[in-house]
Amino acid sequence: KNQVEQSPQSLIILEGKNCTLQCNYTVSPFSNLRWYKQDTGRGPVSLTIMTFSENTKSNGRYTATLDADTKQSSLHITASQLSDSASYICVVSATRAAGNKLTFGGGTRVLVKP
Amino acid sequence: EPEVTQTPSHQVTQMGQEVILRCVPISNHLYFYWYRQILGQKVEFLVSFYNNEISEKSEIFDDQFSVERPDGSNFTLKIRSTKLEDSAMYFCASSLETGNEQFFGPGTRLTVL
Repeated sequence: KNQVEQSPQSLIILEGKNCTLQCNYTVSPFSNLRWYKQDTGRGPVSLTIMTFSENTKSNGRYTATLDADTKQSSLHITASQLSDSASYICVVSATRAAGNKLTFGGGTRVLVKP
Repeated sequence: EPEVTQTPSHQVTQMGQEVILRCVPISNHLYFYWYRQILGQKVEFLVSFYNNEISEKSEIFDDQFSVERPDGSNFTLKIRSTKLEDSAMYFCASSLETGNEQFFGPGTRLTVL
């Protein structure tokens, strides 16, 4: 069964500090891995998309890594801001042949405190 | 910047009633999706739609659910006889191609009493 597991479930960091979120997946056949930011009561917003051949991708202060061999990804937030408070969801897509189905992780809820 | 819109933002209904959730995908997108998120739980895939027909659906998407693209812009999700456990946020998404980035709408919060 395709699964995406994220850790930690939640974390609190001080404004200006860095943090790293983890994602492990068992989706097969793998197509790409996405990180989304979801503010409370809003739809997910895409941060990064990485395919099998990409090891790292940045979007401003967000940097995602992917190790397709170990089926792990991380999202690093640099110099956190209050507006980074949100849930961060790891989403893995199967290939076109497998219907391009998205499997969502449970998210990591990040709270940035002043 | 184009975006996916959804109406209403919040729908309250009585158990057993029919509801229609509406979405306007990004205009040049060809693939449309519905997801739901029960409070405190993961986002779950419901259905994908392409070329005026369902291309994929999950086990959640049973006979009480249906989708339709009644005109060139709207994409709707109908729940025929709502149950208490249908209470959730329902997100519509669209993408230009299958496998491409999916853009999500703001969601409709459905509350079934």
